[in-house]
Amino acid sequence: AQTVTQSQPEMSVQEAETVTLSCTYDTSESDYYLFWYKQPPSRQMILVIRQEAYKQQNATENRFSVNFQKAAKSFSLKISDSQLGDAAMYFCAYNSRSQGNLIFGKGTKLSVKP
Amino acid sequence: DAMVIQNPRYQVTQFGKPVTLSCSQTLNHNVMYWYQQKSSQAPKLLFHYYDKDFNNEADTPDNFQSRRPNTSFCFLDIRSPGLGDAAMYLCATSRGTGEGTDTQYFGPGTRLTVL
Repeated sequence: AQTVTQSQPEMSVQEAETVTLSCTYDTSESDYYLFWYKQPPSRQMILVIRQEAYKQQNATENRFSVNFQKAAKSFSLKISDSQLGDAAMYFCAYNSRSQGNLIFGKGTKLSVKP
Repeated sequence: DAMVIQNPRYQVTQFGKPVTLSCSQTLNHNVMYWYQQKSSQAPKLLFHYYDKDFNNEADTPDNFQSRRPNTSFCFLDIRSPGLGDAAMYLCATSRGTGEGTDTQYFGPGTRLTVL
C-alpha cells in the first residue's frame, strides 16, 4: 500500500527566509502524482503545487518549488522569501491511476516569525 | 469564480440528532468527495461520488450517508451524531478525467460541534 510520510510535525522560519518541508512516500507504481496543499488556520485547503511523476523537471509556482527525487521517493517543498501569510499546515499528498484517491501525510505546521 | 461552497460553515447539533451538511460546486466536476478532518490531523476520506456512482471507504461508519441529487450538489447525512463525530467536514471536487489522477479542489469546510 502507498504511504506518505512527513517527518517534521512543526517547522519555523523567519520572515523573508527560505524553508524546506520534507515529504517521502512509498509506492511500487511508476505513474503517479504528488501534491502539496496548504491549510491556514480555520481556512480553506488550497493546492500549492503539483508534480507529475513522469516529469523530470521540478514544478515551481512563484515562491514555491519542489525538489522531486523519484529514485529516493522524496518530494520536498521549498518556500522562498517566506511571508507571514505562509503560516499554515502543509500536507503532502499522493495519487495514482490505480489509487484514485488522495493519500495524505500527517502534515507539517509552519510558523513564520516576523 | 468557479468554486466549491459548503453550508453551513459552522453547525451545532445535539448528541443523536440527525444533521445534514451540504456542498455545491460551480466547477462542473464529475467527482465529489467528503472528508472528515479532526484537529491537527490529515483529512480522512469518507466516500466519494464519481458522477452518480457512490464509493464508500471500507472504514466509514454506517452512521454516515451521502446523497448526490445532481452534478452540482452533494450532501453528508450523519444519522445519529456522537461526540466523536465532532470535526471539520471537507467537501472536495475533481474533474474525473478517467485517468485516475486529477487535482482535488476543496471547499472551506463545515465545523461540526456535537453537544
